[in-house]
Amino acid sequence: SQQGEEDPQALSIQEGENATMNCSYKTSINNLQWYRQNSGRGLVHLILIRSNEREKHSGRLRVTLDTSKKSSSLLITASRAADTASYFCATFIQGAQKLVFGQGTRLTINP
Amino acid sequence: EAGVAQSPRYKIIEKRQSVAFWCNPISGHATLYWYQQILGQGPKLLIQFQNNGVVDDSQLPKDRFSAERLKGVDSTLKIQPAKLEDSAVYLCASSFNNFYEQYFGPGTRLTVT
Repeated sequence: SQQGEEDPQALSIQEGENATMNCSYKTSINNLQWYRQNSGRGLVHLILIRSNEREKHSGRLRVTLDTSKKSSSLLITASRAADTASYFCATFIQGAQKLVFGQGTRLTINP
Repeated sequence: EAGVAQSPRYKIIEKRQSVAFWCNPISGHATLYWYQQILGQGPKLLIQFQNNGVVDDSQLPKDRFSAERLKGVDSTLKIQPAKLEDSAVYLCASSFNNFYEQYFGPGTRLTVT
């Protein structure tokens, strides 16, 4: 079964609006990472949050982590057309010492 | 700094043929990964190297897939013989060490007909 599951599977919003994507996972983790993938730039690392951190910011990105609920969210503020992409959460599993990707959220920003 | 390099970018082969992919990681990165990404899904780890040793190959179909990382730098992934279900994008990534963020190459899109 999937370790990380993103919700929603697809999201379409207007440019300038905020986009929120959620990720749930099953087992204990060392860290959780978010990646973006589009046809132009491939798979790119966005942000890493450690298991002892609750919130992290990077530019227009805000990530939260709730280890008690085994969930994370990625917020993109003031969205732009260039944010159109698939977003993946990836969990670094304790013990297994490897990164496991979810199925991704497809985000479309409409002009 | 130069990114992760992969070749070829595209490959079309018939089933039962063999194919090889090449990856050159970012200089100084000890950990190298090969992922398989099927259309509409997230990347799935096939094999992970730490320097030139295998750390995890639990999801590598060893009856047909093989990989090596000579001298702890470049790596090759081979499929022999290929099946239709091997059609996917094969991604190579590297990281400074296993706990850090991973940097991905552009991938090789394999089509098996």
